[in-house]
Amino acid sequence: EAQLSESGGGLVQPGGSLRLSCAASGFTFSSYAMGWVRQAPGKGLEWVSGIGRIIGSTYYADSVRGRFTISRDNSKNTLYLQMNSLRAEDTAVYYCAKDGVHESVSAPDYFDYWGQGTLVTVSS
Amino acid sequence: DIQMTQSPSTLSASVGDRVTITCRASQSISSWLAWYQQKPGKAPKVLIYQASSLESGVPSRFSGSGSGTEFTLTISSLQPDDFASYYCQQYSSLSSVSFGQGTTLEIK
Repeated sequence: EAQLSESGGGLVQPGGSLRLSCAASGFTFSSYAMGWVRQAPGKGLEWVSGIGRIIGSTYYADSVRGRFTISRDNSKNTLYLQMNSLRAEDTAVYYCAKDGVHESVSAPDYFDYWGQGTLVTVSS
Repeated sequence: DIQMTQSPSTLSASVGDRVTITCRASQSISSWLAWYQQKPGKAPKVLIYQASSLESGVPSRFSGSGSGTEFTLTISSLQPDDFASYYCQQYSSLSSVSFGQGTTLEIK
């Protein structure tokens, strides 16, 4: 069974940077698109970013485009999210999620496995 | 961008009730819709994908229907474990996805 484990969250000042990692296991990582979804305290789910199976296909929500960068290392089965110029409104639990379609040609799709989430708090 | 609107925002029901949650898309998304269940402090769990396909391991009391712009999630007979938040998600766009604002299912 697929497992995803996020790390790298924490407290950061406005304008600062943070890099999240997501270690994947239990499936052929290179065969699936991946994504990041966040949830602000007491709020709903917000899609943040996605990346295709092949490095180069990246997608971003308007709220983070130009500040966040998604990447993956298929040799290490790891997904990343580099977050720069952080704002208070970026405070949320960040989930790593696996695309539900094997070798999708139309990612991003729905998500069939999610990590436990890592909390990012942007505050002075 | 495709906007997803769920109704109601909150739903009060009793064990054994049949409940329906609606999700509307701002433009046609064909059948590219998923439903998730989320419990407090936990990650979301997919219930339905492609509007009506039941994810493996999900109880058959959950069902989904609809296409185009209007979709429904139905729970045929509520169980105590079903009280949670529910989200719809469209994945019709080639470069983004979006979620509904969520529906909280409460015990009456």
